[in-house]
Amino acid sequence: DTGVSQDPRHKITKRGQNVTFRCDPISEHNRLYWYRQTLGQGPEFLTYFQNEAQLEKSRLLSDRFSAERPKGSFSTLEIQRTEQGDSAMYLCASSFGGVNEQFFGPGTRLTVL
Amino acid sequence: DQQVKQNSPSLSVQEGRISILNCDYTNSMFDYFLWYKKYPAEGPTFLISISSIKDKNEDGRFTVFLNKSAKHLSLHIVPSQPGDSAVYFCAAQPTTDKLIFGTGTRLQVFP
Repeated sequence: DTGVSQDPRHKITKRGQNVTFRCDPISEHNRLYWYRQTLGQGPEFLTYFQNEAQLEKSRLLSDRFSAERPKGSFSTLEIQRTEQGDSAMYLCASSFGGVNEQFFGPGTRLTVL
Repeated sequence: DQQVKQNSPSLSVQEGRISILNCDYTNSMFDYFLWYKKYPAEGPTFLISISSIKDKNEDGRFTVFLNKSAKHLSLHIVPSQPGDSAVYFCAAQPTTDKLIFGTGTRLQVFP
């Protein structure tokens, strides 16, 4: 399977704990995006990378959130001191620079108790 | 502010008929528009797209129409099939970067 993969698929954590998610994009794609989706809403943009450079961050991305793409391949999204409001589906997408279509992974569903 | 709006949360259509899903946007600077389909517990799947310089794009059973003066686009599915039952998201792009999504329309195709 050469699509976008995300790990884990589900994460349950207690409030105040730190969590980290991983995304592996389609191998030849140099752009990688993170989105968050809550119930009844469409995905909301969080941040994106071109190769290893983080080019844009949404104001939704508070200081507790950090994303990295150290070698321009996989990316990690870390949430520190989780809050119940962080409960959502976290989606990763990738694309080839200059091409509009983005291809999504299956998402990581986070539940903060 | 909601820049991309899908005002119909749900739509029910008989198998074989046409499904029409609508989307409105507010920002005239949007350059590209896309439709995604989403099944439960899966990520969105790309369906079809259209550039702002065109008014129609067709791919098999799926056609997207763009009316720039009205800031409106629609997705037509003909003929509708039970496997088309899913949530459909309209998305807009200012350039080749982030997507701005609507809230989705749940389509149910019944026999």
